[in-house]
Amino acid sequence: KNEVEQSPQNLTAQEGEFITINCSYSVGISALHWLQQHPGGGIVSLFMLSSGKKKHGRLIATINIQEKHSSLHITASHPRDSAVYICAVDDNNNDMRFGAGTRLTVKP
Amino acid sequence: NAGVTQTPKFQVLKTGQSMTLQCAQDMNHEYMSWYRQDPGMGLRLIHYSVGAGITDQGEVPNGYNVSRSTTEDFPLRLLSAAPSQTSVYFCASSRGQNTGELFFGEGSRLTVL
Repeated sequence: KNEVEQSPQNLTAQEGEFITINCSYSVGISALHWLQQHPGGGIVSLFMLSSGKKKHGRLIATINIQEKHSSLHITASHPRDSAVYICAVDDNNNDMRFGAGTRLTVKP
Repeated sequence: NAGVTQTPKFQVLKTGQSMTLQCAQDMNHEYMSWYRQDPGMGLRLIHYSVGAGITDQGEVPNGYNVSRSTTEDFPLRLLSAAPSQTSVYFCASSRGQNTGELFFGEGSRLTVL
């Protein structure tokens, strides 16, 4: 079983919809990252958080340390948000563990 | 700023050949790391470095060597390539381990025949 589980694996939405991607992890962590990988393959960091909530534009990330769970929300989704979203954790053994990713498609 | 630069972007090797994937960053980041990305498995950490002269193994280090002689450069060496090393490789850097966002290179697609 992977230490980092994401759901859903695939998500299709209509433009304008509110989107939630979930990440659960089973190890102790010092930080959690949300990454975005576009069809061209490049990876961009969206958020790094160790507690609470962060917001950047239409993106919001939350983390609940006690429940070992994080969510990434996209408000007013747009076709340009179509990408693979990856959750990753810095575990307490100095390793970085990644989820398998959530493939999001936003249709106009 | 160039950010994180990886070369080459594409490489085809024969089994047993050696090669080096180059990674350079111009942000004066202390932490650098290498990952491989395989279909259905997500990204996996190969090796990382928390500063010049310091390297350590990640989840899948076998078959790979690294060195960190300068803050800027963190090359990944395959001494004897195997078909199982066919993958897309990403280099990343950040201000420090567990501190600050990760900056990724564009990736290097390696095929071992």
